[in-house]
Amino acid sequence: ILNVEQSPQSLHVQEGDSTNFTCSFPSSNFYALHWYRWETAKSPEALFVMTLNGDEKKKGRISATLNTKEGYSYLYIKGSQPEDSATYLCAFNNYGGATNKLIFGTGTLLAVQP
Amino acid sequence: NAGVTQTPKFRVLKTGQSMTLLCAQDMNHEYMYWYRQDPGMGLRLIHYSVGEGTTAKGEVPDGYNVSRLKKQNFLLGLESAAPSQTSVYFCASSSRNEQYFGPGTRLTVT
Repeated sequence: ILNVEQSPQSLHVQEGDSTNFTCSFPSSNFYALHWYRWETAKSPEALFVMTLNGDEKKKGRISATLNTKEGYSYLYIKGSQPEDSATYLCAFNNYGGATNKLIFGTGTLLAVQP
Repeated sequence: NAGVTQTPKFRVLKTGQSMTLLCAQDMNHEYMYWYRQDPGMGLRLIHYSVGEGTTAKGEVPDGYNVSRLKKQNFLLGLESAAPSQTSVYFCASSSRNEQYFGPGTRLTVT
């Protein structure tokens, strides 16, 4: 059974704080690692898809790194804002591009207090 | 573009009733997926399709059937609903990279 673990489960920070969370995944047969942002009452939206060991991706104040050899990815948010409040999901693809099947973690719920 | 749409948005069923959830995408994606989302659990894959006319089982397929007769549509059927199928159902589509999700269908089985 392949497991994707995310930590912490939830996080409360003040506006302006920088924060990070972790996604752990099996290091064998790696194909891609996805990060999604999921706001309450909406549907998940893709942030990043990373495929290479050492990949770093950035979108505004949000960035992510990938270590496929040890099986982890970090998501960083610099200067958190209330609109960053959401659940952040990571998902692991070890099936390759023929199906693009993903195994999702349970997410990290971020609440940013103004 | 509408992206990924799902109908209905909400439904209440009695145990033993049947229903079909419809997913439609207008991005010409080959791959489509049905997930269920339950409290404390991640999105779990029910069934998926890698192209028109093809379907395959995911992680939790029991009690569900699917069909992909047209590339843009992916239907999820519950033949005899059970309370354990109370959940929020999400459809997604993709090419080879990120998946695009629909708005979800909240299903309650009493």
